[in-house]
Amino acid sequence: GAGVSQSPSNKVTEKGKDVELRCDPISGHTALYWYRQSLGQGLEFLIYFQGNSAPDKSGLPSDRFSAERTGGSVSTLTIQRTQQEDSAVYLCASSLGAGNQPQHFGDGTRLSIL
Amino acid sequence: RKEVEQDPGPFNVPEGATVAFNCTYSNSASQSFFWYRQDCRKEPKLLMSVYSSGNEDGRFTAQLNRASQYISLLIRDSKLSDSATYLCVVIRGGFKTIFGAGTRLFVKA
Repeated sequence: GAGVSQSPSNKVTEKGKDVELRCDPISGHTALYWYRQSLGQGLEFLIYFQGNSAPDKSGLPSDRFSAERTGGSVSTLTIQRTQQEDSAVYLCASSLGAGNQPQHFGDGTRLSIL
Repeated sequence: RKEVEQDPGPFNVPEGATVAFNCTYSNSASQSFFWYRQDCRKEPKLLMSVYSSGNEDGRFTAQLNRASQYISLLIRDSKLSDSATYLCVVIRGGFKTIFGAGTRLFVKA
């Protein structure tokens, strides 16, 4: 079956612009996660959605970052007024539920801020 | 101190060797534990879940020691294709997922 799909694969933009990253989770997966991975670093948790509940935004690094999930399925991560330190790979994962359910990752979006 | 700590390596081993990775976590409220592998410039892929009773999947064995807050992964009979970064993952609070920085493994012919 189809895995987690992310788009775009690569995004290059100028500092100060807004960007939107999209994640389409595995069908039937109620939990959705966003992570950031900077070059040579581990994954950094950003935000978590479970079904139609309010998301946990505790990992978002600043108020320039926001995310939404429409209809409990597709999610969009938005970064406003991008800075060079936002350059990273943004990874989305989904799982059947939370807790002890393994997460399945998309290929990620490689974001480069010039 | 990071919440999940791993030896960064790299571990350089010959084919056929047995290699062990360790991981420690600091939050005793941690509930679920996994090992993932990540190939260069690729997304993480689930390797196996980790249980207190220990679990085995072919050449891979994972173990959890809750008292010591320690997780291990053993790879027997290493293959060239095992070369990757191995990520220790801990979940607490139902969803808060903490990744270790990873241990790099190079298996050479």
